[in-house]
Amino acid sequence: AQKVTQAQTEISVVEKEDVTLDCVYETRDTTYYLFWYKQPPSGELVFLIRRNSFDEQNEISGRYSWNFQKSTSSFNFTITASQVVDSAVYFCALGRGAGNKLTFGGGTRVLVKP
Amino acid sequence: GAVVSQHPSWVICKSGTSVKIECRSLDFQATTMFWYRQFPKQSLMLMATSNEGSKATYEQGVEKDKFLINHASLTLSTLTVTSAHPEDSSFYICSARAQGGSYNEQFFGPGTRLTVL
Repeated sequence: AQKVTQAQTEISVVEKEDVTLDCVYETRDTTYYLFWYKQPPSGELVFLIRRNSFDEQNEISGRYSWNFQKSTSSFNFTITASQVVDSAVYFCALGRGAGNKLTFGGGTRVLVKP
Repeated sequence: GAVVSQHPSWVICKSGTSVKIECRSLDFQATTMFWYRQFPKQSLMLMATSNEGSKATYEQGVEKDKFLINHASLTLSTLTVTSAHPEDSSFYICSARAQGGSYNEQFFGPGTRLTVL
């Protein structure tokens, strides 16, 4: 069975602070994909990143960065110099193949205060 | 490209009535569509997987007679909540998987908020 755990239910920071969201996953598959999505108050899921199990390179995209540690089954997400617009719920998800059904973590609500 | 729409975006209905939600892939063909449900302040839970031209596969605990799914074409899947009750009030999100190539990934619709009175 697949499982995704996001231990932090809510994080509150002041603008310009960095914030790191933890994601730990469980799977018996050797090939799998990990995702991060942002869900703003409007509800629509915004795709942030997809990473396959064979690519452990960390990635940076603007103020966003991701740290994939296969040895600890973690795929953490950091927002650098947070902004108010970053306030949202962030979901980590695990899937078998990029297009197969996803198992979502419980989500972490990020509140960035001005 | 890769846009998925849902209609309606929100709906309010009376208890006991049925509600149909549409999920459309606007610029690609989707052999598979997924339906998720999200209760307030909770995560997304997969309800069913819908394949074009065949019966949907439901996740454990999801009543297939209550949540009817039809995937009659490569661009449209519908979810009908039959005899809706207040506990069915939720945010329903669909996603679509494109055929082949670099589009072998899911694209999410904007969601439909259902409120049953």
